[in-house]
Amino acid sequence: DGGITQSPKYLFRKEGQNVTLSCEQNLNHDAMYWYRQDPGQGLRLIYYSQIVNDFQKGDIAEGYSVSREKKESFPLTVTSAQKNPTAFYLCASIRGGRLSGNTIYFGEGSWLTVV
Amino acid sequence: DQQVKQNSPSLSVQEGRISILNCDYTNSMFDYFLWYKKYPAEGPTFLISISSIKDKNEDGRFTVFLNKSAKHLSLHIVPSQPGDSAVYFCAARDDKIIFGKGTRLHILP
Repeated sequence: DGGITQSPKYLFRKEGQNVTLSCEQNLNHDAMYWYRQDPGQGLRLIYYSQIVNDFQKGDIAEGYSVSREKKESFPLTVTSAQKNPTAFYLCASIRGGRLSGNTIYFGEGSWLTVV
Repeated sequence: DQQVKQNSPSLSVQEGRISILNCDYTNSMFDYFLWYKKYPAEGPTFLISISSIKDKNEDGRFTVFLNKSAKHLSLHIVPSQPGDSAVYFCAARDDKIIFGKGTRLHILP
């Protein structure tokens, strides 16, 4: 079945460490997104990519980095510069183009806790 | 500045009655609007969407209304069921997808 796979589901990080969250999709979607959810904050956009080898910052990109070397993969690195990284992270994809694709597919999410 | 606003953090509705969830937006370039339902620690589930060229879309118990002049949309759920208790997110799209903060819906027995 097609879908989006995020890993790991749960991750603990020590302060000062970088961690990378994986997001893989086999839906042949062009656009991929990373969101973060905090209590009372809803889903906030970190980075998004409309096409391979291109990505843009979202609303809260500071302290994060991404790459889009392959269409199916959009990993997110949470760097030590991110001040408050403990959150629930969601990866999403959509077929692409403003007028194509009317739903977003989400992964199951990754819980990151800084200890 | 929030481009998509859900001003009610929570809403309680009696089972069987109508639930109305509201959403306001500021960007007139948004051309597609979506509603998602989310349970804790899970990815959001798509419910219903509407293009900016329409003012109403209906799918079973769910109906979304769009008022472009007011930059307002609403999700109606009727009749409300216990399984509808969740957080509901409004989202809008131009070249990226922006979500509101969500409204927690409680369906009361």
